[in-house]
Amino acid sequence: KAGVTQTPRYLIKTRGQQVTLSCSPISGHRSVSWYQQTPGQGLQFLFEYFSETQRNKGNFPGRFSGRQFSNSRSEMNVSTLELGDSALYLCASSLGVSSGYNEQFFGPGTRLTVL
Amino acid sequence: TQLLEQSPQFLSIQEGENLTVYCNSSSVFSSLQWYRQEPGEGPVLLVTVVTGGEVKKLKRLTFQFGDARKDSSLHITAAQPGDTGLYLCAGMEYGNKLVFGAGTILRVKS
Repeated sequence: KAGVTQTPRYLIKTRGQQVTLSCSPISGHRSVSWYQQTPGQGLQFLFEYFSETQRNKGNFPGRFSGRQFSNSRSEMNVSTLELGDSALYLCASSLGVSSGYNEQFFGPGTRLTVL
Repeated sequence: TQLLEQSPQFLSIQEGENLTVYCNSSSVFSSLQWYRQEPGEGPVLLVTVVTGGEVKKLKRLTFQFGDARKDSSLHITAAQPGDTGLYLCAGMEYGNKLVFGAGTILRVKS
């Protein structure tokens, strides 16, 4: 089975621009979660999509948004980029069932640098 | 949001030594997952523990979930340079949301 893929792997943007990141989950997985990883804050949950609907949301400003398509692929958008948005953005794929044994598998991440 | 405290933050040991990483919370999680991450890559799932008191072994790695499902530990026997990396524990909250500890950077010197 192919793993989680994320594109692009690296991005450099300037303040004020917007960016779109893409994630393709493992085949058969219907849930896609997004996380931000920074040296200071560690891994923080952004949001989760399941069956094209946002099911859960973390404590991030409205500049961070996402969507999920019918094939479970997901995109994350960040508008009006700030220097503090520089981070590794990780996507995690899971079956999305409502049980403790809902393992999440991560992609390689997109390294975003905001200048 | 529940919090997970992970310790130690950093470990530098010689090849062949044993070590234990701890993950503690005041709250109960439905499950807890351990990951290992290399620089610039995504976390790789090592194990998921679900039942209080559960012990799982993965070669030289032993994972334990506390009886009350509030804490967990990772023990590595005879560490090797290939074990070097960032070890993360993550508790599963409601709604399929993972709460991560700050991580333990392990460096194993040959």
